[in-house]
Amino acid sequence: QVQLVQSGDEVKKPGSSVKVSCKASGGSFNNYAISWVRQAPGQGLEWMGGIFPLFGSASYAQKFQGRVTITADGSTTTAYMELRSLRSEDTAIYYCARSIILPNWFDPWGQGTQVIVSS
Amino acid sequence: DIVMTQSPDSLAVSLGERATINCRSSQSILDSSNNKNSLAWYQQKPGQPPKLLIYWASTREFGVPDRFSGSGSGTEFTLSISSLQAEDVALYFCQQYSSAPATFGQGTKLEIK
Repeated sequence: QVQLVQSGDEVKKPGSSVKVSCKASGGSFNNYAISWVRQAPGQGLEWMGGIFPLFGSASYAQKFQGRVTITADGSTTTAYMELRSLRSEDTAIYYCARSIILPNWFDPWGQGTQVIVSS
Repeated sequence: DIVMTQSPDSLAVSLGERATINCRSSQSILDSSNNKNSLAWYQQKPGQPPKLLIYWASTREFGVPDRFSGSGSGTEFTLSISSLQAEDVALYFCQQYSSAPATFGQGTKLEIK
């Protein structure tokens, strides 16, 4: 049973960057896609992008193109999401989630990492 | 992008009664290659990540109680809970995966009346 464990909560200043990790354990890493989905306070879910670790190729939602980079390290079965030029509207819980292909349903999800952007 | 719209935004149902949540897509999400609708439903409890309940619009994920069912086709979909239990209080989301990017409904908050 695969489990995704994310890094801890972060507080960042506007204009800075944040990098969140997602470690997979208990199952195959390279044969699935890992996506990042965020949830702003009191808001819905928003897909940011995803990556196939086997190929190293990432795809991004247009809204985040140029500001987000998703990478994966097969040797440590860890995926990363870096978001740059942070603004207050980026305050949200960031989840990683696994899928068979992109797009597809997501299962399982990481526990979530809260990122607060505040001066 | 395909826009997913859920209704209602919130819903209060008595214990043991039926709860119904609707989801509409801005275009058909029927996959012609397998004649299945590319729609998933999730349950999210406070402080927890979303949990997959249903995919292909009507296939229950392993371990999901059979009081949860999904139906619909094309652009109109429904999640039903046949007999509401206290542990079903949560936020529910639909999601389409017919075309990139995957998009979600705004969520429906289910409470006990």
